Amino acid sequence: DQQVKQNSPSLSVQEGRISILNCDYTNSMFDYFLWYKKYPAEGPTFLISISSIKDKNEDGRFTVFLNKSAKHLSLHIVPSQPGDSAVYFCAASAVRGGADGLTFGKGTHLIIQP
Amino acid sequence: DARVTQTPRHKVTEMGQEVTMRCQPILGHNTVFWYRQTMMQGLELLAYFRNRAPLDDSGMPKDRFSAEMPDATLATLKIQPSEPRDSAVYFCASGFGEGVNTEAFFGQGTRLTVV
Repeated sequence: DQQVKQNSPSLSVQEGRISILNCDYTNSMFDYFLWYKKYPAEGPTFLISISSIKDKNEDGRFTVFLNKSAKHLSLHIVPSQPGDSAVYFCAASAVRGGADGLTFGKGTHLIIQP
Repeated sequence: DARVTQTPRHKVTEMGQEVTMRCQPILGHNTVFWYRQTMMQGLELLAYFRNRAPLDDSGMPKDRFSAEMPDATLATLKIQPSEPRDSAVYFCASGFGEGVNTEAFFGQGTRLTVV
């Protein structure tokens, strides 16, 4: 049972336009959410995060929005650039007695077309 | 150059053989994670350590997998005996946290193929 779901395996966006990647979660204990970016043959690299006490976090071209009532978050990239082509993973964590770990979605392959 | 280092990058082995994957976390990080990536399951958390103590290994098949941290600079993941279904990319990640959400920095992974 997937607790973090990315329902779009792939997304194609034209260069310069906005890319919107979506993520849904089911575990109400999750209180911290992250986006990772992964290129082929490399490990995931951290992109941006958001705590459940916020509904928006912005870093340059990247903005993450969190809708707690809908258990939904999204990553906006604007403007999209060719180097943004990668697999994007949504991840979530819940603090449990001081222990921690990330639960990942299966990823969305973003393709930026020139 | 602070990064998580994993060895080997690639490993091909025969079914039944022992496999050991190694990870050097980023200096100063106190939390080490092992993840496995497969096409079917995506990225799954296998186990993690904080201050070298195992905190959660519920994601790991106990009968054949073992994870250890002999010291603060080395984490190992061992599979004995290996099976074809263990074929995957295994990622090590490290971070710093004490009961708070830990941002994880990933290594480049070990691609394991069991034939």
